[in-house]
Amino acid sequence: RKEVEQDPGPFNVPEGATVAFNCTYSNSASQSFFWYRQDCRKEPKLLMSVYSSGNEDGRFTAQLNRASQYISLLIRDSKLSDSATYLCVVNPKGASGTYKYIFGTGTRLKVLA
Amino acid sequence: DTGVSQNPRHKITKRGQNVTFRCDPISEHNRLYWYRQTLGQGPEFLTYFQNEAQLEKSRLLSDRFSAERPKGSFSTLEIQRTEQGDSAMYLCASSPPTGGIQYFGAGTRLSVL
Repeated sequence: RKEVEQDPGPFNVPEGATVAFNCTYSNSASQSFFWYRQDCRKEPKLLMSVYSSGNEDGRFTAQLNRASQYISLLIRDSKLSDSATYLCVVNPKGASGTYKYIFGTGTRLKVLA
Repeated sequence: DTGVSQNPRHKITKRGQNVTFRCDPISEHNRLYWYRQTLGQGPEFLTYFQNEAQLEKSRLLSDRFSAERPKGSFSTLEIQRTEQGDSAMYLCASSPPTGGIQYFGAGTRLSVL
């Protein structure tokens, strides 16, 4: 079983739609969680951190459920510019103090005009 | 530009040749990471430096791979006797002393012919 699992998609949605991505992780000791966005052939860029209380940034809402080891991302009112791959990231603290990232495979989103 | 810088951006080499990539992190960041990303997959952790000390290496990092960060500033990743399976995007990231969010460079895309 992979440490971080995501549905690779693609998710094809019309402009204005609401779309949700889910991610599960296996390491219950994981401490930090993020969503990164990656455009084709570009580097990953931080979209938002994910907190147990949930957090919102404009049209984006992230949720963390530690009991179920589950992370979600909700995008409301999708724009063409939201088309990208969304990477779920888990950040367990290693014995050496490493804060390495464990990435999911990414979920591809295509917003259609 | 004060972001993470990677050079070269692209490298084409013949199988069996040695290649070296360079990463310059954000100046106040003492933590530096290398990842490898293949098509359709999320980035995979390769190695981590805290200042000049290499504190963790992934099992993905075979004996043909070596990374250094001699003065705790820039880092190099060398691949000896390249194989076609080494073709990938090599990403460098850095983060501040407290850990937390990692910022990625644009990557070096390696093609082994």
